[in-house]
Formats: sequence, structure tokens, C-alpha cells
Amino acid sequence: KAGVTQTPRYLIKTRGQQVTLSCSPISGHRSVSWYQQTPGQGLQFLFEYFSETQRNKGNFPGRFSGRQFSNSRSEMNVSTLELGDSALYLCASSLSGTSTDTQYFGPGTRLTVL
Amino acid sequence: AQSVAQPEDQVNVAEGNPLTVKCTYSVSGNPYLFWYVQYPNRGLQFLLKYITGDNLVKGSYGFEAEFNKSQTSFHLKKPSALVSDSALYFCAATDSNYQLIWGAGTKLIIKP
Repeated sequence: KAGVTQTPRYLIKTRGQQVTLSCSPISGHRSVSWYQQTPGQGLQFLFEYFSETQRNKGNFPGRFSGRQFSNSRSEMNVSTLELGDSALYLCASSLSGTSTDTQYFGPGTRLTVL
Repeated sequence: AQSVAQPEDQVNVAEGNPLTVKCTYSVSGNPYLFWYVQYPNRGLQFLLKYITGDNLVKGSYGFEAEFNKSQTSFHLKKPSALVSDSALYFCAATDSNYQLIWGAGTKLIIKP
């Protein structure tokens, strides 16, 4: 079974631009979560989608948004990029997103904002 | 505030020796506990989880973790370390809303 895939793997943008990251979950998984990983803040939860609905949201500004499609693929968008948005963005999928579910992570998209 | 602590930023162990990566948690109720590992330029990989039952949980790659309710700890252990175990290890616990709270990570270095 193919794992979680994320595209692109690397991205360089400038301040003020916007960016869209894509995540394809493991086949059959309906829950997709997004995380931001930085050396200083560690792993921070952005949001979780299940059946095209955002179920949970972390403490991030409205510039960060996401969506999920009917095939469970998910995208996240960051508008008006800031230098502090430079990070590794990780996507994780699970069968149903319950608290006992194991999350399976993709390799991440490394975003650099100049 | 609910939190997960990994008190050591880095742990150094000689190959062949036992290793322990520490994790303590401060959450309400009875959390579910997880360990993940991250190799360079990779996403996180699941190692093991505690939901209920036996306090000793066995996981992937020979790792195990011991749940201690009285000490609110969930330390990761392995009897004999391999150089290939060198990576970043994350502990996570569910909070009272069953959302995952992540520790800051511990860098494990296994020296030949």
C-alpha cells in the first residue's frame, strides 16, 4: 500500500506570496491532519479534516487554511507569507482520526520564505 | 496547561548498550500515549502506542515503552542500541479533548 505523499517536497517563496501544499493520504484513510515543524516550536498542529470537513483546528492565524476533497486528498494554503512561516509542513493520515488511531506521516514539504 | 515533556534534548548511547528516552505528561484523565521517530529529511514514523492494558508496550524495531501512571511517564526503551537508531524521537499524549499534544523531541545519538 502506498504511503502518504506530499507535493512539492521543497518550495521557496518570498514574503507576501501565497503557497498551496498538497497531501495524498493512504488509500482508505479518511482523516488528514497538518502540522508545522520548526526547530524552535517543535511540532504544532494546524488542522484536521475528515470527510471534507474541518474537525479540529490549532492555534494558527487565518492565513493558514485547508480543505479536503471527496477522495480524501487535502491541500493547505498559506497566504501573505511571512519569514516565520519557514518550516517543514507535515501531513498525516489515519483511518478515522479517532484518538486511538495511528497517524501515518508523509515526508513533508519544506517551505522557505525569503 | 496540559503538556508533554521530553526532559532531554539529546541522549548519547554507545552501540550495544541499553537506551532510554524519557517522556512525562501532564494531562487530565487517562491519556493515550504514542512514540514516533523521525529520520533526517523524513516524516515521522509510528513506533508504538499505549491505549490500555499491560503497562509494557512493544513496538517496531525492538523498541518498547513502559507506562507508569503514578509517575505519569511513558519512557521509551531498547535493550541494545544500534547506530541506525540515531534519530529524533517524539512522545505524544492525548489531552482531555483527545487531541494530541506533542513533546519537543529528543535527539538520540548512538555511537559505534
